[in-house]
Amino acid sequence: QSALTQPPSASGSPGQSVTISCTGTSSDVGGYNHVAWYQQHPGKAPKLMIYEVSDRPSGVPDRFSGSKSDNTASLTVSGLQADDEADYYCSSYAGARHWVFGGGTKLTVL
Amino acid sequence: EVQLVESGGGLVQPGGSLRLSCAASGFTFSNNWMSWFRQAPGKGLEWVALIKPDGSDKYYVDSMKGRLTISRDNAKDSVYLQMNSLRAEDTAVYYCASSIRTPWSWDYWGQGTLVTVSS
Repeated sequence: QSALTQPPSASGSPGQSVTISCTGTSSDVGGYNHVAWYQQHPGKAPKLMIYEVSDRPSGVPDRFSGSKSDNTASLTVSGLQADDEADYYCSSYAGARHWVFGGGTKLTVL
Repeated sequence: EVQLVESGGGLVQPGGSLRLSCAASGFTFSNNWMSWFRQAPGKGLEWVALIKPDGSDKYYVDSMKGRLTISRDNAKDSVYLQMNSLRAEDTAVYYCASSIRTPWSWDYWGQGTLVTVSS
């Protein structure tokens, strides 16, 4: 069982928006603004999409956005494209130089 | 161009040991924290170990503590993960990753190396 809770699946049609949630506790998501989101295509390494709750690394489209409220973080993908179909993992700093992950959400573009 | 290349994975018997390596290039390795992660087949990501830039501090996931040693050689731009007393549940792809431009997160990842623990 993962430390952070994500829905196993999410879906949307091209052009639509989809939001993926990530629920933790006050010891991780709620306690720090060190929440990140990673995209992983099958057989590939994870790719950082969002860090520090809502910041985007250089090169990540602004269609990807992040937010947090209390113990729940969210990733929103707007203007869905076929290539957005992938697994998405949230991660949070959990104190004492430890990190925790969610179980992952499989995003399907219909 | 930043590159991280893992090696050292393979088939090992239960109770055995394995040392993974990760060779870095394209950035000032000695300035950056490095971590290892793993992903069991069909499962999610798990943070495994972390080492400070100068190698003085090391941190491990509780579930593997005592069986892991992370180390680095800044002269060789490499980080290592020594794994002992391996179990079937340690079977996974192991990734190394660095935190270069994004604090408290991991912006560069290697391609991973597969560790299979089986008799």
